[in-house]
Amino acid sequence: QSALTQPASVSGSPGQSITISCTGTSGDIGAYDYVSWYQQHPGKAPKLMIYNVTNRPSGISNRFSGSKSGNTASLTISGLQAEDEADYYCSSYRGGNPPVIFGGGTMLTVL
Amino acid sequence: QVQLVQSGAEVKKPGASVKLSCKASGFSFTAFYLHWVRQTPRQGLEWMGWISAATGVTYYAPRFQGSVTMTRDTSISTVYLELNSLRSDDTAVYYCARDWPGSQGRVFDYWGQGALVTVSS
Repeated sequence: QSALTQPASVSGSPGQSITISCTGTSGDIGAYDYVSWYQQHPGKAPKLMIYNVTNRPSGISNRFSGSKSGNTASLTISGLQAEDEADYYCSSYRGGNPPVIFGGGTMLTVL
Repeated sequence: QVQLVQSGAEVKKPGASVKLSCKASGFSFTAFYLHWVRQTPRQGLEWMGWISAATGVTYYAPRFQGSVTMTRDTSISTVYLELNSLRSDDTAVYYCARDWPGSQGRVFDYWGQGALVTVSS
């Protein structure tokens, strides 16, 4: 099973908005509304930011939002802040085994 | 608060085994599934399997079946990952992660801090 496809890097200035894409197939992202997004700072564990495509866990800023169209999911971060600089990973349920696959990660740089 | 605290870094020779631990606190241990996910520069994040903390039932990804064993000790709220016949490409950071209630592997809401396993002769 191939990993989901993410851009290697994106960048934006403080206050701007950026969007990170995550492309899968009709067997994973296209089939289920179970896309999650994780933020990972260097040397730290991943942190859940978005689940089930659009939902934010308690405590996550509403500057983070998720969406999906067809086989592609997106994470949008508005009002960029310096602390948003991190790697971001998408994941999708795919049924079968393994039940979940991840994207290759996107490095976000806040200029 | 929910915490998953993992054991420390390990250095092993090819062919050896290693057993990692992940101690849970701040939640009802036996109410959850715990997963193991590894991270390598080449492969990125890979789901390895889950264990039911209540029953000990396990479910492994095909590529790890036969080379890993997940166990748990409910008396100390700890899950374990044993890696056997280590190879150099098993060098990775291994994370335990809690299953979002009822998600069955769709969402991981809390992660341990990770444990680096280095396999080198």
